[in-house]
Amino acid sequence: AQSVAQPEDQVNVAEGNPLTVKCTYSVSGNPYLFWYVQYPNRGLQFLLKYITGDNLVKGSYGFEAEFNKSQTSFHLKKPSALVSDSALYFCAVRPSGGYNKLIFGAGTRLAVHP
Amino acid sequence: DGGITQSPKYLFRKEGQNVTLSCEQNLNHDAMYWYRQDPGQGLRLIYYSQIVNDFQKGDIAEGYSVSREKKESFPLTVTSAQKNPTAFYLCASSTGLAGVPEETQYFGPGTRLLVL
Repeated sequence: AQSVAQPEDQVNVAEGNPLTVKCTYSVSGNPYLFWYVQYPNRGLQFLLKYITGDNLVKGSYGFEAEFNKSQTSFHLKKPSALVSDSALYFCAVRPSGGYNKLIFGAGTRLAVHP
Repeated sequence: DGGITQSPKYLFRKEGQNVTLSCEQNLNHDAMYWYRQDPGQGLRLIYYSQIVNDFQKGDIAEGYSVSREKKESFPLTVTSAQKNPTAFYLCASSTGLAGVPEETQYFGPGTRLLVL
């Protein structure tokens, strides 16, 4: 079955420290991978995506993600966290072929403390 | 959230009542989607439409209905058959170019549905 796992319900990090939000996936074929962020009572905002090419993808607000095919992972990273980064983060995968269906992980809540 | 509007922001449903959630987009996107978000479960696809006058069931379509009479509009009706409708409902759209891997879905601000 095709799926996305975000193994941590919550990640806590101090402001100014690097952050990592983990994501692993299980799909057939070549995956297309996405990260979205959600602030309270708001819709999802697109951060970045991996389609092909360089395994390190840079996105909005200083975030980046590293695609690792052998480990089937697509972890979200930021070198220096801000309090304003505190939000709910979703990893999603779109299996190759077919319509534009996204399979979402359960989400990881990021809390950045001053 | 720009370009996709959802209304109302909050909606209350009484037992046995059908309610309709509005989703409008001005992005000239062909494809539109409805998701349901429950705490700790991520987003689940209810219905999607790749073009006007056509739509398909997603993973949890039971108790819901949609229509796609106009390109910019994709309303979702939560029927009385949906026994657990309390959730946050998100509408999304994309250009709808099938097979194009660059496709990104953009989301509206959501509607929170509560049962009285």
